[in-house]
Amino acid sequence: KAGVTQTPRYLIKTRGQQVTLSCSPISGHRSVSWYQQTPGQGLQFLFEYFSETQRNKGNFPGRFSGRQFSNSRSEMNVSTLELGDSALYLCASSLGLPGEQYFGPGTRLTVT
Amino acid sequence: GQQVMQIPQYQHVQEGEDFTTYCNSSTTLSNIQWYKQRPGGHPVFLIQLVKSGEVKKQKRLTFQFGEAKKNSSLHITATQTTDVGTYFCAGRGGSQGNLIFGKGTKLSVKP
Repeated sequence: KAGVTQTPRYLIKTRGQQVTLSCSPISGHRSVSWYQQTPGQGLQFLFEYFSETQRNKGNFPGRFSGRQFSNSRSEMNVSTLELGDSALYLCASSLGLPGEQYFGPGTRLTVT
Repeated sequence: GQQVMQIPQYQHVQEGEDFTTYCNSSTTLSNIQWYKQRPGGHPVFLIQLVKSGEVKKQKRLTFQFGEAKKNSSLHITATQTTDVGTYFCAGRGGSQGNLIFGKGTKLSVKP
């Protein structure tokens, strides 16, 4: 089976812009989670989706949003980008809730 | 809110030495997972522990879940250079709770 794919892999944006990241889970996986990874804060949970419903949300401002489509693919959006949003954004899929997470390679976002 | 603390933050060992990383939660966990992230890579699932006092082994790796389901450890016997990376624990407060990651222990192995 193909693994979790994330697009784009690298992104450079300017403060104030918005960005949309995409994640395609492993075939058959219905749960998708998003994490932000930075050297200082480590892996921080953003949100978790199962069958198009947001099941859990981390402690991030409303500028961070996401959604899941009927084919389990997921997108996350960050509006009004700030310098502190620079990070590796990781998507993970699992068969169900709760479950072991299979991570994608991540999207490296740089905000200048 | 739920916090998962992991120590040590860094560990440098000589090849062949043992290594242990510890994970402690502020609340009782329904399960705990362990992941390994190689430099430049993404976290890779190692194992999940569910039962109180559970011990699982994978070759040179031994994973334990505490009796109170609030702490866990990962022990590597006779480290090899291929063990290099950051080891993360991740716990859920309930079956539907958020998966909270510890900050990880970065292991370096000197040949």
